[in-house]
Amino acid sequence: NAGVMQNPRHLVRRRGQEARLRCSPMKGHSHVYWYRQLPEEGLKFMVYLQKENIIDESGMPKERFSAEFPKEGPSILRIQQVVRGDSAAYFCASSPDGGGIQYFGAGTRLSVL
Amino acid sequence: GENVEQHPSTLSVQEGDSAVIKCTYSDSASNYFPWYKQELGKRPQLIIDIRSNVGEKKDQRIAVTLNKTAKHFSLHITETQPEDSAVYFCAATPNQAGTALIFGKGTTLSVSS
Repeated sequence: NAGVMQNPRHLVRRRGQEARLRCSPMKGHSHVYWYRQLPEEGLKFMVYLQKENIIDESGMPKERFSAEFPKEGPSILRIQQVVRGDSAAYFCASSPDGGGIQYFGAGTRLSVL
Repeated sequence: GENVEQHPSTLSVQEGDSAVIKCTYSDSASNYFPWYKQELGKRPQLIIDIRSNVGEKKDQRIAVTLNKTAKHFSLHITETQPEDSAVYFCAATPNQAGTALIFGKGTTLSVSS
């Protein structure tokens, strides 16, 4: 089992560009969570998805951020018109049943110039 | 919603000493409490977890205790080793399907030899 896979590992964008972060959950897992980690801080929940459905997006900024988990392919976190404050590490986690244990990917470190 | 406080923010011990990290939570509905270890630039890794129907759980040199009445739980590491140096995060969740993990801000543990 390859674990939770995220790519790219590092992403550099200029202000105003779009960032697309991808997450493939562990095999057999259909529940995906996205978290954001600012430097020297804990992880903050952003959104929870199951295949083709957003279940909880209470932690997602109302503008510029969106997420999807299509029937086929990885989950995508999309940030439009990035600003410097979006610079952070974005982690994806997956679980087999939507409760309890979550397994994390290695993260995508986004830098906005 | 849930709020998790974690103390101390930094902890320095000598190799072989014990280390204790404490967390408090606010939502009495929370019933699942995992601990994650994150080394610099790496993914958070689950090291131990406890559910509310258990007061203590041990796995080799690490143990977690839970006091539901006081709404706090603690991580205990005995016989610390330099490789235990990392940032440790506690989290809480009501463990319902799809509920996000709410993390503390982390404790940076340094073990010197």
